[in-house]
Amino acid sequence: DAGVTQSPTHLIKTRGQQVTLRCSPKSGHDTVSWYQQALGQGPQFIFQYYEEEERQRGNFPDRFSGHQFPNYSSELNVNALLLGDSALYLCASSSLVGNTEAFFGQGTRLTVV
Amino acid sequence: AQSVTQLDSQVPVFEEAPVELRCNYSSSVSVYLFWYVQYPNQGLQLLLKYLSGSTLVESINGFEAEFNKSQTSFHLRKPSVHISDTAEYFCAVSDPDKLIFGTGTRLQVFP
Repeated sequence: DAGVTQSPTHLIKTRGQQVTLRCSPKSGHDTVSWYQQALGQGPQFIFQYYEEEERQRGNFPDRFSGHQFPNYSSELNVNALLLGDSALYLCASSSLVGNTEAFFGQGTRLTVV
Repeated sequence: AQSVTQLDSQVPVFEEAPVELRCNYSSSVSVYLFWYVQYPNQGLQLLLKYLSGSTLVESINGFEAEFNKSQTSFHLRKPSVHISDTAEYFCAVSDPDKLIFGTGTRLQVFP
């Protein structure tokens, strides 16, 4: 089992650009959550996807959007990048049924210059 | 809204000494509590969790945490730390299907 995989591992973008981050959940998991971890901070919940729909959303602007595909993989899109969007973006997968624990990927380090 | 407070941003300790990392949460309802560990340039790994039952939970690598409802605490302890325990530790509460994290405690173990 490959666990939760994220791509790319590192990314450098220019202010104003758009970025797409990808996540493949752990085998058997149907729910994907995205978190933003700024330097020196704890992860902050962005949103959660289940059955290809956004199920919950944290306090993030509409510039942050996502998608979940039929195979349960997910994408996080950020438009009009700001310097403050520089962070480690973590994907976590879980199974809604049975309330299993969340497994995290290694993250994507996004740097906005 | 639920919140998690980790009062100690850094905890320096010598190898083989005991350590306690403090975590307090705010909630008036039943909670699920977690400790995650993050090694440099890596994602989060679940260390241990409290869902229900015994208030003392243990991990496979010697850490333990005790759920204290009256003090709304879930402190992490280890009787003897190793150099390899150097990492960032995050306490989290389930709210209910998303995780609310504390700001983390950097455990630095010195030889």
